[in-house]
Amino acid sequence: DAGVIQSPRHEVTEMGQEVTLRCKPISGHDYLFWYRQTMMRGLELLIYFNNNVPIDDSGMPEDRFSAKMPNASFSTLKIQPSEPRDSAVYFCASSRQGSQPQHFGDGTRLSIL
Amino acid sequence: GENVEQHPSTLSVQEGDSAVIKCTYSDSASNYFPWYKQELGKGPQLIIDIRSNVGEKKDQRIAVTLNKTAKHFSLHITETQPEDSAVYFCAASISPESGGSYKLIFGSGTRLLVRP
Repeated sequence: DAGVIQSPRHEVTEMGQEVTLRCKPISGHDYLFWYRQTMMRGLELLIYFNNNVPIDDSGMPEDRFSAKMPNASFSTLKIQPSEPRDSAVYFCASSRQGSQPQHFGDGTRLSIL
Repeated sequence: GENVEQHPSTLSVQEGDSAVIKCTYSDSASNYFPWYKQELGKGPQLIIDIRSNVGEKKDQRIAVTLNKTAKHFSLHITETQPEDSAVYFCAASISPESGGSYKLIFGSGTRLLVRP
């Protein structure tokens, strides 16, 4: 079975630009999670969806961040405008049910210059 | 909110020896505790998990123990091999039924080095 697929794997852009990260969860998984990993803050949840509906967005840093899940097989995390402090590795994870293990993609390494 | 502390931050062992990583959590309502292994350039990979109704779980060379009274849980790797070298993360979550959500709160990670 294919795992969680994220794109792009690497993104380098200048501050002020819009950034869109993409995620395809494992087929049949009803939960999708977006995490961010930095040296200073470690791994932290940004937002998660159940059946395409946002459930907990308490980790979204500020209004510059937005996430959508238009269908069961696709989600985006958008940053507009981007800032250097947004530089991090962004992971997407999915699970069959909320109580089931979360499976992570290989992440998008984002660098904002 | 929930806080998870993980120790040690780095661990170096000789191949064949055992490795133990410990985590403590702050919220007694936490009821799910997974452990992840992260290799360079990869996402975290689940290696074992335990729920609060179980005290110990084992899968070949890997075991996890949970002490709810003390609010700590540990990962035990026996007969370590060089391919066990990676960063290991513990995590905790509180189910919605217990007043939480399915978000995982991660420890800060342990870099394990297994020397051949």
